[in-house]
Amino acid sequence: DGGITQSPKYLFRKEGQNVTLSCEQNLNHDAMYWYRQDPGQGLRLIYYSQIVNDFQKGDIAEGYSVSREKKESFPLTVTSAQKNPTAFYLCASSIPPGQGNDEQFFGPGTRLTVL
Amino acid sequence: GQNIDQPTEMTATEGAIVQINCTYQTSGFNGLFWYQQHAGEAPTFLSYNVLDGLEEKGRFSSFLSRSKGYSYLLLKELQMKDSASYLCAVMDSNYQLIWGAGTKLIIKP
Repeated sequence: DGGITQSPKYLFRKEGQNVTLSCEQNLNHDAMYWYRQDPGQGLRLIYYSQIVNDFQKGDIAEGYSVSREKKESFPLTVTSAQKNPTAFYLCASSIPPGQGNDEQFFGPGTRLTVL
Repeated sequence: GQNIDQPTEMTATEGAIVQINCTYQTSGFNGLFWYQQHAGEAPTFLSYNVLDGLEEKGRFSSFLSRSKGYSYLLLKELQMKDSASYLCAVMDSNYQLIWGAGTKLIIKP
């Protein structure tokens, strides 16, 4: 079945440690996204990538980094520079935006807790 | 700035009809999306509107008025499994999705 996988579902880290969240899709989508979701707020875009080897900062990129070496994979690293990293992280993919009903398909999410 | 407004929480009765409103102010408009999100899970796509009018899909319908910056999601014959958050999102002129904070819908028997 086609879809998006994120692992792990729950992640605990100590303050000051970097942590990498994985995201893999087999939908053959060119575009991939990382969002952060906090209680009472809308999804906020961290980074997005419209093609392999290219990515752009979203609204809240500070303290995060990404890579897009393969079409299927878009890992997110939460660095120690991120001041408030505890959140629910969602990865999504889509056809290139602007081609009509370019809905985004979401992975199950990773809940990161920094202790 | 860009802004999406929707009610924080709504309550409805099983079998009834509920309308969730969404108003938006964005830099350009390239479509409006509604997603459903159960607690702790991923959002799932419900509907897409780019032209004015009503789009019907089974028990769910979505309406758009671009001149008023307004949309609503209409849920009919409510079932307990419809208890979830409903997210409104607008695609702006840069083809970025701007998200509302979501409306938590509580269904009572």
